[in-house]
Amino acid sequence: GAVVSQHPSRVICKSGTSVKIECRSLDFQATTMFWYRQFPKQSLMLMATSNEGSKATYEQGVEKDKFLINHASLTLSTLTVTSAHPEDSSFYICSAHPSGGPYNEQFFGPGTRLTVL
Amino acid sequence: AQRVTQPEKLLSVFKGAPVELKCNYSYSGSPELFWYVQYSRQRLQLLLRHISRESIKGFTADLNKGETSFHLKKPFAQEEDSAMYYCALSGKYGNKLVFGAGTILRVKS
Repeated sequence: GAVVSQHPSRVICKSGTSVKIECRSLDFQATTMFWYRQFPKQSLMLMATSNEGSKATYEQGVEKDKFLINHASLTLSTLTVTSAHPEDSSFYICSAHPSGGPYNEQFFGPGTRLTVL
Repeated sequence: AQRVTQPEKLLSVFKGAPVELKCNYSYSGSPELFWYVQYSRQRLQLLLRHISRESIKGFTADLNKGETSFHLKKPFAQEEDSAMYYCALSGKYGNKLVFGAGTILRVKS
């Protein structure tokens, strides 16, 4: 149980286009999901906390108009990288907190590799 | 400010040798500490959390508030322990995780 999926696993896009990444909790409901960014050989940096039915909370330095987050249901959160540029190329990982679970429990998705040409 | 420091990027040991992955933290309050592991080509998964005080796959970690450390230990390393290990913390009542930079553990035969 407690499986989180991400789609796509890998995406290549042209500079200036927008890319949507989906994060789904497959066998549990998640009121809260998290989006991280990981640069090569570096740690996971929290970008934003996605709350079902409300606006996402962004970490300092993360542009909310650049990284649009929508959490429309208890099993799906999406991250849209708008007007992507090469510096947005990274590995994006989501995690999901099971509703009713321990407050800091998170299950992680497999990640999405974004390459912007 | 919340911070997790893992001073070693790579730790290489021989099979059967003891392992200690270091983790120090900075947090004004009572944090909860975790170790996550990422095996090759797999997703990040929880290894253990300090409040559980349990041993998983032979690994243990003790929270030392005086030294603000949460080092991960295993008395006898196995080849299948080779992976990336991340130390992380959250606030006592918060749900955000702050990760360290990670340590690659390589267990040689």
